[in-house]
Amino acid sequence: DAGVIQSPRHEVTEMGQEVTLRCKPISGHNSLFWYRQTMMRGLELLIYFNNNVPIDDSGMPEDRFSAKMPNASFSTLKIQPSEPRDSAVYFCASSHRTSSLEQFFGPGTRLTVL
Amino acid sequence: AQTVTQSQPEMSVQEAETVTLSCTYDTSENNYYLFWYKQPPSRQMILVIRQEAYKQQNATENRFSVNFQKAAKSFSLKISDSQLGDTAMYFCAFMKGGGSEKLVFGKGTKLTVNP
Repeated sequence: DAGVIQSPRHEVTEMGQEVTLRCKPISGHNSLFWYRQTMMRGLELLIYFNNNVPIDDSGMPEDRFSAKMPNASFSTLKIQPSEPRDSAVYFCASSHRTSSLEQFFGPGTRLTVL
Repeated sequence: AQTVTQSQPEMSVQEAETVTLSCTYDTSENNYYLFWYKQPPSRQMILVIRQEAYKQQNATENRFSVNFQKAAKSFSLKISDSQLGDTAMYFCAFMKGGGSEKLVFGKGTKLTVNP
């Protein structure tokens, strides 16, 4: 299996621009998670889906952030408009809820907002 | 809300020696799970070991073992026979039972294994 795939691996953008991060979970997994990692706040869960339905979005910082999962093999995290404080590494992870609690992480997207 | 505390921001150990990383957590839940994840310089997060709170026996995975003290809300990770490849950030994490899949992470401990 290819593991969790994230794109792009690096993104540099200017303040005010829209940013879209993409994730392909491991085939057969039914839960998908978006995390953000910063030096100040550590690793935080932003939102997670189960069977394509958002279950917990309490970690989404504000309305500028939105996430979608249109099907079992694809999810996006969008920031519009982006701000310098959004600079972080964004991880996507997936798991098979009914068989294991292990979350498998992707390589992350390093986002820099200038 | 649950919190996870890792009191050691950085640690170092000599190759082949044993090191213990500390983790404490705060929860009012009785059913939960605890995890240690490793993040090497490549940035990829990897599960090291998992413990179910209802199990009294400490989990072990090869050179990695935990000391789970439920009453004290402590969950330390012991790495035996440390290897250079163990150099990484180690994160302790908490997951409430009962169907939630939300992981709450500690701030991490940076472990360096010296040759």
